[in-house]
Amino acid sequence: GAVVSQHPSWVICKSGTSVKIECRSLDFQATTMFWYRQFPKQSLMLMATSNEGSKATYEQGVEKDKFLINHASLTLSTLTVTSAHPEDSSFYICSARNDQGTSGRTIYEQYFGPGTRLTVT
Amino acid sequence: DQQVKQNSPSLSVQEGRISILNCDYTNSMFDYFLWYKKYPAEGPTFLISISSIKDKNEDGRFTVFLNKSAKHLSLHIVPSQPGDSAVYFCAAGGSNYKLTFGKGTLLTVNP
Repeated sequence: GAVVSQHPSWVICKSGTSVKIECRSLDFQATTMFWYRQFPKQSLMLMATSNEGSKATYEQGVEKDKFLINHASLTLSTLTVTSAHPEDSSFYICSARNDQGTSGRTIYEQYFGPGTRLTVT
Repeated sequence: DQQVKQNSPSLSVQEGRISILNCDYTNSMFDYFLWYKKYPAEGPTFLISISSIKDKNEDGRFTVFLNKSAKHLSLHIVPSQPGDSAVYFCAAGGSNYKLTFGKGTLLTVNP
């Protein structure tokens, strides 16, 4: 259980275009999802917290107009990189918190998707 | 300002020996600490966690130790296996459920 999927797994797009990445919790409901970005040999940097039915909360320094987040249902959050540029090329990973929790597990535990490799040319 | 630090970018151990991965934190408000394992081009997978009210948690070959006074935690893997080779991330959680990650330590277990 507690599987999170991401689509697409990799995408190449031209500079100036927009790209949408989907994050789905397959077997549990997730009111809260998180979007991370990872540069090579770097840590996972939290970009924003996605809240079902309300606006996302962005971390300092993350442009909300560039990285649009929509969390329309309890199992789906999307991240749209608008007007992508080469510097947006990165590995984007989403995670989800299980609303119901799991016996013996911490409420802090996040289940991660497999990530999306974005390359902007 | 890095609130969670993993000062060793890499660690190499022999199969069957103990692997010890270290993590330091600066924010005393963190309630929970987690270790994740990550392979290249994949998302992290949860390994083990510990609450700030405990000093040890064990799960099979994995044990996490927490020293609150020193703001230090460590992950022990014994015995280490070649399949344990991956990047290990230390993460800390606070009241808002957000996780702060360290930069990771690349563990290589040699046969």
